[in-house]
Formats: sequence, structure tokens, C-alpha cells
Amino acid sequence: GENVEQHPSTLSVQEGDSAVIKCTYSDSASNYFPWYKQELGKRPQLIIDIRSNVGEKKDQRIAVTLNKTAKHFSLHITETQPEDSAVYFCAASNAGGTSYGKLTFGQGTILTVHP
Amino acid sequence: DVKVTQSSRYLVKRTGEKVFLECVQDMDHENMFWYRQDPGLGLRLIYFSYDVKMKEKGDIPEGYSVSREKKERFSLILESASTNQTSMYLCASSYPGGSYEQYFGPGTRLTVT
Repeated sequence: GENVEQHPSTLSVQEGDSAVIKCTYSDSASNYFPWYKQELGKRPQLIIDIRSNVGEKKDQRIAVTLNKTAKHFSLHITETQPEDSAVYFCAASNAGGTSYGKLTFGQGTILTVHP
Repeated sequence: DVKVTQSSRYLVKRTGEKVFLECVQDMDHENMFWYRQDPGLGLRLIYFSYDVKMKEKGDIPEGYSVSREKKERFSLILESASTNQTSMYLCASSYPGGSYEQYFGPGTRLTVT
């Protein structure tokens, strides 16, 4: 089955700095890569996703890049703000077919943005 | 707005008890999932269901079972609770096809003593 590794486990930045979280996956059939953000005491929520036919996707201050050859994808947050402090999870899926939308998650990254 | 609810936010049970965790979604989603969340281990899939009465094991099904008698409700059952099942349990649902986004419930913090 799929295996997703996520690094770093913790990341501390100053407000205004950029933050990068990296994930690798093992199954070359995976074609959908979402990122979820979980604020303290709250439920995970999707913040951005990318499909395998796209190399990069941006949404305001966040972007995700995908390198299918190397089987890794990354989340980039620019101009970080204290409200970006949360746990971030990457995930991978072989979306469609009989996967039923099943996701394999990484271990999570605790991002702390210091004012 | 998708709403996924779980029966309890906090639950304390004794070793050996049978425990039921319930999840309800109001968006007519076919797919429903149960995860447990432990620090440093991320979200690990216990079981998922892609239709009423249909279920499949996830990555860590041992010690758990599930029930899906109605489309909107997915129950996780701990047959005989053990201390190593102390964890945060998250339910999620999604619509097959389209965005594949999973919508999560608020979680149940289960403590087994």
C-alpha cells in the first residue's frame, strides 16, 4: 500500500518568513495530493490540493508543488502570520476507480509562527 | 455547508468495555471513514465504507469493527477496549468523484483506563 513520509515534524518561523513542508510518497499510482490544516482543538480542513497532471498550484499565500518523478510534493507558505500556526498534514490517494477516495496521511508538521 | 457530527467529544471507558462511537453526516456522502490520531503518527485509517452495509479495513483495523446500516451514519465499535486504544478518533465523509475532499467531524477523545 501507499506510504507517505512528512518532514519536518516541527517547524518554527518568524512572522513574515516562508515555511516549507515536504512529503514523499511510495505508490506511483497516486494521483491526488491534498493538504489539510488542523488548528488547535479543531478538525482538519482541506487548504489546497494538487492532481498529478499539474506541477504547481497557488492560492494566495499558499502553494503546492509536485515532482512525480521523484515522488515528492511540498507545501509553501509565504509571508507567514500567527494564524498559520497549526498542524499540517499531507496526504496521497489513487483517486478514482476502487480507491473510494481513501487517503494515506503523513505524520503531520506542527508549524509555529512567532509574532 | 457539510456537517459531520460525532456522538461525544470526550469519553472515558474501562478496559474490557464495549465502546460505540457514532458519526453522522448530512450531505448524502457515499464514503465515510474512521481515523485515529496520535501525536507523531498522523491520521491512520481504521475502516472505511463506500456504501450502506459496505465496509473495508484500513491500515489498523485490529480491535475495531464498524457498522453502516444507514447512509448518513457510520459507527466505530471497540469490541473490548484496551488502554492502547486511548486516542483521538476522527470521522470523515466524502463524495465519490469530484473533489475527493474529506470533511471531518470534531473528533472524540477516548480514554481507556
